Amino acid sequence: QKEVEQDPGPLSVPEGAIVSLNCTYSNSAFQYFMWYRQYSRKGPELLMYTYSSGNKEDGRFTAQVDKSSKYISLFIRDSQPSDSATYLCAMSDNSGGSNYKLTFGKGTLLTVNP
Amino acid sequence: DTGVSQDPRHKITKRGQNVTFRCDPISEHNRLYWYRQTLGQGPEFLTYFQNEAQLEKSRLLSDRFSAERPKGSFSTLEIQRTEQGDSAMYLCASSLAPPGNTIYFGEGSWLTVV
Repeated sequence: QKEVEQDPGPLSVPEGAIVSLNCTYSNSAFQYFMWYRQYSRKGPELLMYTYSSGNKEDGRFTAQVDKSSKYISLFIRDSQPSDSATYLCAMSDNSGGSNYKLTFGKGTLLTVNP
Repeated sequence: DTGVSQDPRHKITKRGQNVTFRCDPISEHNRLYWYRQTLGQGPEFLTYFQNEAQLEKSRLLSDRFSAERPKGSFSTLEIQRTEQGDSAMYLCASSLAPPGNTIYFGEGSWLTVV
């Protein structure tokens, strides 16, 4: 079992839909959770960063972390064609007092159709 | 542009040749990371530096790979005697040391070994 499992997709939705992206993980030491967006042949762009459990909202994006279930989610409201990309979850533990090594999911390819 | 800069963006090389990638991190960031990403996979950690010190190397980093950060600013990643399995995108990232250690990625350097 990989440390981080991510719904593989691909996921295709109409413009304006609410999108839910999810990851599960097995390492209970993970404390830092991130979502990155990656356009084709580009580097990952940080969208959301959360520490421990709870919700965090930024514009149309909401990140949720449930450490008891080892489950994280990213919700995108009012999805736009420009949101079409691969979404990567990433997480790290607190080795040595700080997070430095990210473990990524495989990514979910999202297409938002106009 | 004050983000993480990588050069070259694309490199095609023959098997057995040596290649070198350069990364210029965000100027105030003292941590620098190298990751590798193959098609359909999330990035995988290779190594990281704090200032000029290389603090961890993944077992993915075989003896043919060497990374340096001589003055604690830019970094190079050299691959000697390239193999077709080295074909991937090599991502550089940087961050501040904790507590503000959100990790930002560059656009990546694509390597194709023919």
